[in-house]
Amino acid sequence: EADIYQTPRYLVIGTGKKITLECSQTMGHDKMYWYQQDPGMELHLIHYSYGVNSTEKGDLSSESTVSRIRTEHFPLTLESARPSHTSQYLCASTRMQGAYNEQFFGPGTRLTVL
Amino acid sequence: AQSVTQLDSQVPVFEEAPVELRCNYSSSVSVYLFWYVQYPNQGLQLLLKYLSGSTLVKGINGFEAEFNKSQTSFHLRKPSVHISDTAEYFCAVRSSGSQGNLIFGKGTKLSVKP
Repeated sequence: EADIYQTPRYLVIGTGKKITLECSQTMGHDKMYWYQQDPGMELHLIHYSYGVNSTEKGDLSSESTVSRIRTEHFPLTLESARPSHTSQYLCASTRMQGAYNEQFFGPGTRLTVL
Repeated sequence: AQSVTQLDSQVPVFEEAPVELRCNYSSSVSVYLFWYVQYPNQGLQLLLKYLSGSTLVKGINGFEAEFNKSQTSFHLRKPSVHISDTAEYFCAVRSSGSQGNLIFGKGTKLSVKP
């Protein structure tokens, strides 16, 4: 069973607020990801990290930012939330070593911006 | 760029009936292929994967998938579904031999009715 956690699970906030979505994993995985998921759409990769102090932008442009100060922690921040940011955000992690390693997903944060 | 097409957005079936969820991918290079399942209000869980070897891959919960290189397909099948199989299923692809990121399809919602 995957040990990857996301908080909060649900968040409803007003436009203009700053928010941080938390993601933590206890598996010692190097690589971590943030995906955005909208109904009926593909999961879109918005950020990923190869390890501490590494952050990369994904395939989908996003106004959010991420940081990786500790291996186990990969928070996502929106400086000023807008209704267009309403979505589900999924965090995932995997080991880097080996030909292929499974991605483990957190339960997601469903964000609604009013 | 690689892409994944899941041909059916929704598949309703009756309990104990067989089901096939279709997936086609665009890449002509060697690839790894995956099926993930997402139950309501949860993250994604790996159902099965094809890395190499036998083209018929067996996964959890009685699911299996067949890799067909000539048709660039990786369809998911189960001979007899249960109510508990109701979920959304995502097909994903990644180029083999690299640490590239997963590319997901738009998902197929499987609804199993009594």
